[in-house]
Amino acid sequence: AQSVTQPDIHITVSEGASLELRCNYSYGATPYLFWYVQSPGQGLQLLLKYFSGDTLVQGIKGFEAEFKRSQSSFNLRKPSVHWSDAAEYFCAVGRMNSGYSTLTFGKGTMLLVSP
Amino acid sequence: GAVVSQHPSRVICKSGTSVKIECRSLDFQATTMFWYRQFPKKSLMLMATSNEGSKATYEQGVEKDKFLINHASLTLSTLTVTSAHPEDSSFYICSASSGRPGPGNTIYFGEGSWLTVV
Repeated sequence: AQSVTQPDIHITVSEGASLELRCNYSYGATPYLFWYVQSPGQGLQLLLKYFSGDTLVQGIKGFEAEFKRSQSSFNLRKPSVHWSDAAEYFCAVGRMNSGYSTLTFGKGTMLLVSP
Repeated sequence: GAVVSQHPSRVICKSGTSVKIECRSLDFQATTMFWYRQFPKKSLMLMATSNEGSKATYEQGVEKDKFLINHASLTLSTLTVTSAHPEDSSFYICSASSGRPGPGNTIYFGEGSWLTVV
């Protein structure tokens, strides 16, 4: 069965510092990987996705993620964090469920940005 | 880009009553929509897959008679929580995908709906 692990429940980063959020997946086939961001009380916004090809994926808001098959990882990075990046981040793997595409989510990592 | 909208964003209802949440795809046709439930500080739990013109497919452990899903058109799916109880209070999020079904489809999410049952 597919699963997604985000080992860090909370991360605190100083504004302007770099960020890396970890994501590990377990999936029997070629993974389709996503990162979503959720601000408090809001829905989810897609940051970036990986299907195939270049393992370094660029997303919106200055985020990028690198797919490493050997490590079963898809970590999210940003070189300089802004206070507005404080939110919850979810890693997800796309899968087929009864003929329909759907997502399996990790438990999320809450990013706190300190001044 | 594709937009998915939910209404209402917040609703309070009395225990024992029913409440309906709408999910609309605003600029694309979604043959499939998904309903998730999110508990505080928890991840999203898929409740059901909503198929236009046919019965919804529910995940194991989700009561289909309690959470009624209707996907009447290619742009609208509704979730009705029947005989609501305080334990049904949660954040409900819908999502929809455009294009042919496939694990790599981009799935767009609505803004979510807060349900509080008092």
